[in-house]
Formats: sequence, C-alpha cells, structure tokens
Amino acid sequence: EVQLVESGGGLVQPGRSLRLSCEASGFAFDDYAMYWVRQAPEKGLEWVSGISWNSVGVGYADSVKGRFTISRDNAKNSLYLQMNSLRGDDTALYYCAKASRSSGDMDWFDSWGQGTLVIVSS
Amino acid sequence: QSALTQPRSVSGSPGQSVTISCSGTSSDVGGYNSVSWYQQRPGKAPKLIIYDVSERPSGVPDRFSASKSGNTASLTISGLQAEDEADYYCCSYAASSYVFGTGSKVTVL
Repeated sequence: EVQLVESGGGLVQPGRSLRLSCEASGFAFDDYAMYWVRQAPEKGLEWVSGISWNSVGVGYADSVKGRFTISRDNAKNSLYLQMNSLRGDDTALYYCAKASRSSGDMDWFDSWGQGTLVIVSS
Repeated sequence: QSALTQPRSVSGSPGQSVTISCSGTSSDVGGYNSVSWYQQRPGKAPKLIIYDVSERPSGVPDRFSASKSGNTASLTISGLQAEDEADYYCCSYAASSYVFGTGSKVTVL
C-alpha cells in the first residue's frame, strides 16, 4: 500500500523559511516523479512543484518560482520542499503526491498524503 | 497558469446524472490529452478518479465517466449516490507544469 507522510509544517513569520518533507513507502520511490500540491484554507487545489525520478527534471508554479526548491533523496525514500521568503498567500495545506510515471510529463497524481499545514503570519 | 474554469456547484437527486465542465485553453486542456479528475471529500485528501481524459483507475465505479472536446473537459456522474457528494477538481498538463480547475461542489439533493 502506498503511503505518503508529510511533515515540517507549522507557523512561520513572513519572510522566513521552512522545509517540508514527505516520507514515502509501499512502492519503488525511485521509479516515479513526485509532486507538491497545496490548498489554501477553503480554497481549491494548486500545483506547486514537481520532480522527475532522477531529479533532472524539476518544475515550479509561477507563484513560487525563485522562492521554493524541490528535491528528493531516493536512498531515503523522501521528497522535500524548501520554502524561502514565505508570504501570507503561501498559507495552505501542502500535499505530497505520487506520479504515475517517472518523468513527470503528461502525468497524474495517483496517491496523496494527508498534508502538512503551513501558516505564514506575524 | 490561470486556473481552469469549473462551475462552482452542481446538484442532482439520487439516481440522476450530473456533468461538470472544465474549461481551459489550447495551452492546457486543448493542447494535451492529459486531463485528470479528483474527488475530495470534506477533510480528506484528493482521490484520483479519472486520468488520461477518460480512463478510470481500478476501484473507481463505472458511473464516473469523462471526455474532452476542444478546450473543455467534462466529468459525468451517472446514477448519483449520496456518497458522491464532494468537491471535484479537474487538472491538466500544461507544458512542464500542471493547472487545476477552480473546483465544483457536487450536492446530492
């Protein structure tokens, strides 16, 4: 059974940094691309970032480009999201999601974690 | 990367059919056969119900069907059941990125 467990969320002041983690189990982590998707309170889903199986391909939403960095450690079955220069509109539940393919192109999100909540406020 | 447009809410009685539209552009929905749909019940993570425009993952009831025409994708729920009450989101590939729809709340009357 695929399991994705996010951690690292919390309350952080505007302008500060936070690093989210996602620990994966139940599948061959290094065979699949991985993603971060967020959902602001009472709002819709927003794709944040994705990374290919070998970390060669990465992509970001315009809203986070230059501030967030996605990475993965296949030896640890873990996905990360380094979030810098946080703003109030980054407040959201951040989901880790598994791809159906290795590259991340023309993909879909076939398994999701339960999310970790990030609140950006002074 | 503007969100795809979905109706805010859709409703139907048990047993009826409802259809949710997902309108995009030639840069996303119309440009790729890569549309997926997700069901999100309150307080829960999203669940994949459709991929590659019209394919259903194993375990998803066949009352869920989907299609695409031009820049608009559609999800149809036939034989509506109480358990189908949830939020539904479309998602399209858009050249090295992905864009979600605005979301539609399905209410079973």
